[in-house]
Amino acid sequence: SQQGEEDPQALSIQEGENATMNCSYKTSINNLQWYRQNSGRGLVHLILIRSNEREKHSGRLRVTLDTSKKSSSLLITASRAADTASYFCATGGNAGGTSYGKLTFGQGTILTVHP
Amino acid sequence: GAGVSQSPSNKVTEKGKDVELRCDPISGHTALYWYRQSLGQGLEFLIYFQGNSAPDKSGLPSDRFSAERTGGSVSTLTIQRTQQEDSAVYLCASSNRTQAKNIQYFGAGTRLSVL
Repeated sequence: SQQGEEDPQALSIQEGENATMNCSYKTSINNLQWYRQNSGRGLVHLILIRSNEREKHSGRLRVTLDTSKKSSSLLITASRAADTASYFCATGGNAGGTSYGKLTFGQGTILTVHP
Repeated sequence: GAGVSQSPSNKVTEKGKDVELRCDPISGHTALYWYRQSLGQGLEFLIYFQGNSAPDKSGLPSDRFSAERTGGSVSTLTIQRTQQEDSAVYLCASSNRTQAKNIQYFGAGTRLSVL
């Protein structure tokens, strides 16, 4: 079963606007990651936030994590046409168990940034 | 190599035939994962290797699916007696399990079409 649920499923914005995507998950986590997938390509890791962190920044990306609500958000500021892609959140297993390393992905948000 | 390499990039086969998909992970990465992505869907975990062992093969959908890894490097995913519902993109990822994080590096995938 899917661990993560993301919304919106699709987001269409103009260049320069901010894009916010949300992710919810069900079980306890060690960390949460966001990945990006361009059409026809594999996934690329964007950012990881640990369960004891509330916010993290990387360039134009800002990730928040609320473990009490089991939710995370990814904000892309000043979007560009090149940001057009699918974005997935992923949660990992607990260290020490056999599920370590296995990632469970959400359904993804398709982001379209119009020039 | 510089990244995760998968071959073939595309495979068209007839229903009932067997197929082999290959994954060459990043050199030195001890962990290797196979995922499946159906059209417009998130990623579905199939199997995880640590070295040549598969501690978690819980995602393999049926006994028609098998995978092996030799020399702690290249992995092959085999699908026997393919069915139309096997059509999907099969993604391979590798990671360095010695890190506390489980950031995974993905190949571009093999697009399998079963006619």
